[in-house]
Amino acid sequence: QVQVVQSGAEVRKPGASVKVSCKASGYTFTTHYMHWVRQAPGQGLEWMGRINPRDGTTIYAQRFQGRITMTRDTSTDTVYMELRSLRSDDTAVYYCARDNDFHSFDYWGQGTLVTVSS
Amino acid sequence: QSALTQPASVSGSPGQSITISCTGTNSDVGAYNYVSWCQQLPGRAPKVLIYHVIKRPSGVSNRFSGSKSGNTASLTISGLQAEDEAHYYCTSYTSSDSWVFGGGTKLTVL
Repeated sequence: QVQVVQSGAEVRKPGASVKVSCKASGYTFTTHYMHWVRQAPGQGLEWMGRINPRDGTTIYAQRFQGRITMTRDTSTDTVYMELRSLRSDDTAVYYCARDNDFHSFDYWGQGTLVTVSS
Repeated sequence: QSALTQPASVSGSPGQSITISCTGTNSDVGAYNYVSWCQQLPGRAPKVLIYHVIKRPSGVSNRFSGSKSGNTASLTISGLQAEDEAHYYCTSYTSSDSWVFGGGTKLTVL
């Protein structure tokens, strides 16, 4: 069965970086985009970007351009999201979510809480 | 890309039907049939209910249905149950090859 499992919670100081992983299983890794979505405490969902695991190409939401990088490792079926120059308002739960063939998110990771605090 | 517009809250009694709207533009909701809806229970990851405007994944109750007219998509929940109390989000693919969420709607079952 399809599973998407994320790395554990992280705590960072302002200005630091964080890298969250997302390991896929139960399907052919290179056939589906993977997205990253975040949710600040008590807030809604925000799309951050997506990566094509087949060739590594990425598209990022404009507000994260310049401080976000998504990568993938096809040997371990894992995607990564790195966010740099962290601020307190980057405190959120970060989710990876698989794209089905209809541009929607069919399988979600369990979420990774990233806390940015001095 | 601005967020899609959803009502902040809706409510209904058990057994009733409710509809949640999701208004975008002719660059997102109105441009493609790539509108989806997800349900988020407290403390849980979202779960897809509807994709491609009207399609339901296997295992999702047929009490959930989707539709679209112009720049507005809608999610209807019929036969409301207490377990439906959750947040609901719409999403659309956009003409800039990006995705945008609605602000979310809190459903209260009275």
